[in-house]
Amino acid sequence: KQEVTQIPAALSVPEGENLVLNCSFTDSAIYNLQWFRQDPGKGLTSLLLIQSSQREQTSGRLNASLDKSSGRSTLYIAASQPGDSATYLCAVSTRAGNMLTFGGGTRLMVKP
Amino acid sequence: DTGVSQDPRHKITKRGQNVTFRCDPISEHNRLYWYRQTLGQGPEFLTYFQNEAQLEKSRLLSDRFSAERPKGSFSTLEIQRTEQGDSAMYLCASSLGVRAQETQYFGPGTRLLVL
Repeated sequence: KQEVTQIPAALSVPEGENLVLNCSFTDSAIYNLQWFRQDPGKGLTSLLLIQSSQREQTSGRLNASLDKSSGRSTLYIAASQPGDSATYLCAVSTRAGNMLTFGGGTRLMVKP
Repeated sequence: DTGVSQDPRHKITKRGQNVTFRCDPISEHNRLYWYRQTLGQGPEFLTYFQNEAQLEKSRLLSDRFSAERPKGSFSTLEIQRTEQGDSAMYLCASSLGVRAQETQYFGPGTRLLVL
């Protein structure tokens, strides 16, 4: 059974810092990996999707990397802003069309 | 297209009552998913449709839960004889189902409180 873990569970940083969020998964036979953002009481917003054959994806100040063999992904956020404050969730799928298995999330607070 | 929509956004019900939630996916998306999220946790998969066919169901989906997607468009999730443990956010997502375009797009969720 696939298990996804995110560390740390919570993170507080001053504005402007670069930061790294970590995600690990137990079964390396994944199909793809997605990073999401969730604001309190709201649905999920997709940030990046990495196919199993890819090593990284970038969107603006966000960069996500994938190392299948070690079962790890990182989300790098450059020059953090207070508007980045949210919960960040990592999720993996193990075959096309399959369910996403989510980690517990990292709750990020960026202080002005 | 404005994305995935869900109705209602909030539902308060008494234990033992039946509730039904609706999800309208992005119009060209053939895949539709239901997830459940409790406070402080990541979402958990409930069930998945490709067009009108329900292809996968989680063990979380007890016999009190039923989902449909008639004609492969909108979907409904019904919970019969609700229990307090059913209180959660119910999230719907859809995807195109084409390789390299499999991002799941989520709706705003329906928050259920069972008293």
